[in-house]
Amino acid sequence: EPEVTQTPSHQVTQMGQEVILRCVPISNHLYFYWYRQILGQKVEFLVSFYNNEISEKSEIFDDQFSVERPDGSNFTLKIRSTKLEDSAMYFCASSDRVENNQPQHFGDGTRLSIL
Amino acid sequence: RKEVEQDPGPFNVPEGATVAFNCTYSNSASQSFFWYRQDCRKEPKLLMSVYSSGNEDGRFTAQLNRASQYISLLIRDSKLSDSATYLCVVKKANNNDMRFGAGTRLTVKP
Repeated sequence: EPEVTQTPSHQVTQMGQEVILRCVPISNHLYFYWYRQILGQKVEFLVSFYNNEISEKSEIFDDQFSVERPDGSNFTLKIRSTKLEDSAMYFCASSDRVENNQPQHFGDGTRLSIL
Repeated sequence: RKEVEQDPGPFNVPEGATVAFNCTYSNSASQSFFWYRQDCRKEPKLLMSVYSSGNEDGRFTAQLNRASQYISLLIRDSKLSDSATYLCVVKKANNNDMRFGAGTRLTVKP
């Protein structure tokens, strides 16, 4: 079964540094997403991406964050000037459509630890 | 009121038991509904979509009540492998933004 893959599985970074989280969505999918889950809390939507641009973003996704699809397969999330509170699991997801009842498929996440 | 509200549990049930989870959502514009399961420190995995007429997938039955803005998941003949956190997820029509509940923790014991 095709799957979303994410790298690295765990990223440890000093506060203030920039990190790039990488994702390879399912190959025939057109819509890509980033979510985060702070330990012990719910999964939160960050951003969706379609046709090489952001289609929606949440209030969490401020100027500190950016996304990019640098080539035909990768989808990245960049976090600048990381803060302690950015420590969380970051999940990438993809879907082939956004019509009703089209689910999103998640990668196994990157655990980001800010020291 | 939270956008998606679930009983956090935990639910501790013996193998073979039937267990039901409830979920309410606040946004009447929500059009798509899902149950995901999440194992500890793992990614959410789709369990099933929820259709207006209700739907069943093996031991799992999902129901939707749009008037009450309420979704349910019934698990029959529970297995040890059903132990997980069950996430209620809602999405507005043609919208990319999925809203997750905080999840209901289920532990099935021998």
